[in-house]
Amino acid sequence: ILNVEQSPQSLHVQEGDSTNFTCSFPSSNFYALHWYRWETAKSPEALFVMTLNGDEKKKGRISATLNTKEGYSYLYIKGSQPEDSATYLCAFPSFGGSQGNLIFGKGTKLSVKP
Amino acid sequence: NAGVTQTPKFQVLKTGQSMTLQCAQDMNHNSMYWYRQDPGMGLRLIYYSASEGTTDKGEVPNGYNVSRLNKREFSLRLESAAPSQTSVYFCASMTYGTPPSEKYFGPGTRLTVT
Repeated sequence: ILNVEQSPQSLHVQEGDSTNFTCSFPSSNFYALHWYRWETAKSPEALFVMTLNGDEKKKGRISATLNTKEGYSYLYIKGSQPEDSATYLCAFPSFGGSQGNLIFGKGTKLSVKP
Repeated sequence: NAGVTQTPKFQVLKTGQSMTLQCAQDMNHNSMYWYRQDPGMGLRLIYYSASEGTTDKGEVPNGYNVSRLNKREFSLRLESAAPSQTSVYFCASMTYGTPPSEKYFGPGTRLTVT
C-alpha cells in the first residue's frame, strides 16, 4: 500500500512569516506529485502537478520543489497572509498513475494569525 | 462552466435507509471519482470510473455502489446506510493521461446517519 506522509500535521504562524512543509512519497515508479489547497467548508483546489525531478513551480507567494530520487516535495509560502490559512494536501498517483487515482496525505493545517 | 456539481449538499438518514448522491461534471473529463473525508483520515477513495462504462473499487468500497450513467454523471448509492458512513463525500473528475492533469473536486455532500 502506497504511503504519502506530510509534516508537520499543523502549523501556526504570524502574518508575514514564511513557512514550508514537507510531503514524502515512494520514490520508485514516480509519475507525478500533486499539491492541493483545502479551505474549511470548501473543496480541495489544485495548486500544482509536478512531474520532473528538480521541478520548481510557483503561484504567487506559494512555490513547490520536487525531489523524485529521494521521494520528497516541499511547499513554501512566502510572507504568509491570513487568507493562506487552509489545509495543504499532497497526493501521489497509485497504479502508476494510469487511472488517475490519487493517494492523499493527511495534510498540513496552516493557521496564519493577523 | 459549472465544473463539478454535487447534490444534495446535506443529508440526514436513519440507519437502514438508502440514498443516492449525484455528481455531474461539464469539463468533458473521462475519469470520475468518489472520496470520503473523515477527521484524521484524510481523503479516501471509495470508487472510481476511469472511463464511461467502467467502474472500479477504491480503498473503502464496502457499503457503496456506483453508476457511471454517461460521461458527465457518476452517482454513489448507499443501499442500507450505517452510522459508520457518516462523512463528507466528494466527487472529483479529471482527464488522466500524459502529462498528468489536475483533479477537480465538487463542493461535497455532508451526510449524517443516525
